[in-house]
Amino acid sequence: AQTVTQSQPEMSVQEAETVTLSCTYDTSESDYYLFWYKQPPSRQMILVIRQEAYKQQNATENRFSVNFQKAAKSFSLKISDSQLGDAAMYFCAYRGTGNQFYFGTGTSLTVIP
Amino acid sequence: NAGVTQTPKFRILKIGQSMTLQCTQDMNHNYMYWYRQDPGMGLKLIYYSVGAGITDKGEVPNGYNVSRSTTEDFPLRLELAAPSQTSVYFCASSYAQITSEQYFGPGTRLTVT
Repeated sequence: AQTVTQSQPEMSVQEAETVTLSCTYDTSESDYYLFWYKQPPSRQMILVIRQEAYKQQNATENRFSVNFQKAAKSFSLKISDSQLGDAAMYFCAYRGTGNQFYFGTGTSLTVIP
Repeated sequence: NAGVTQTPKFRILKIGQSMTLQCTQDMNHNYMYWYRQDPGMGLKLIYYSVGAGITDKGEVPNGYNVSRSTTEDFPLRLELAAPSQTSVYFCASSYAQITSEQYFGPGTRLTVT
């Protein structure tokens, strides 16, 4: 089975600064998708960004971007110009050719005013 | 388009009681999933389904049962509730294609005392 590892249980960032959350995964598949989800205190899981393994270009969604290193099996999330509303738990997820999604254990992000 | 809906939002059960958590999606997704999330932890897959009449166990299926008689509904049954089942339960759905992310319901907070 595939595994997804988030090695930073907690991170903090000053408002307006940039922070990078790390994610690594293990797979033998060549075609897969990677996702970052945000879970604010409301508990609702919100999709932040996705990346296709075949695309070399890193995905970007407004202040959120990824650094996808396929050979290193690394998929980090960069949040620029951090805002108070970015405070949440962030989960990295993998979807391959099977039926399941594989989630990391999450990184709790605190934004300091 | 309501997305994924879950009922109830909150529930307190006594040890040994049973209950069914309801999940409905209106996006015509083939795949549906049940996760549990313990405090401060990640998501653990309980059961999933790839279509009506087809279900399969996830990582932590003991103490739970599911059925999938329609595309829209995927109820989760707890038999003989135990304190270890105190958790937040999320239902999710997705298209079968690898490109599809998971869409999550708002969660059900269950306490067993």
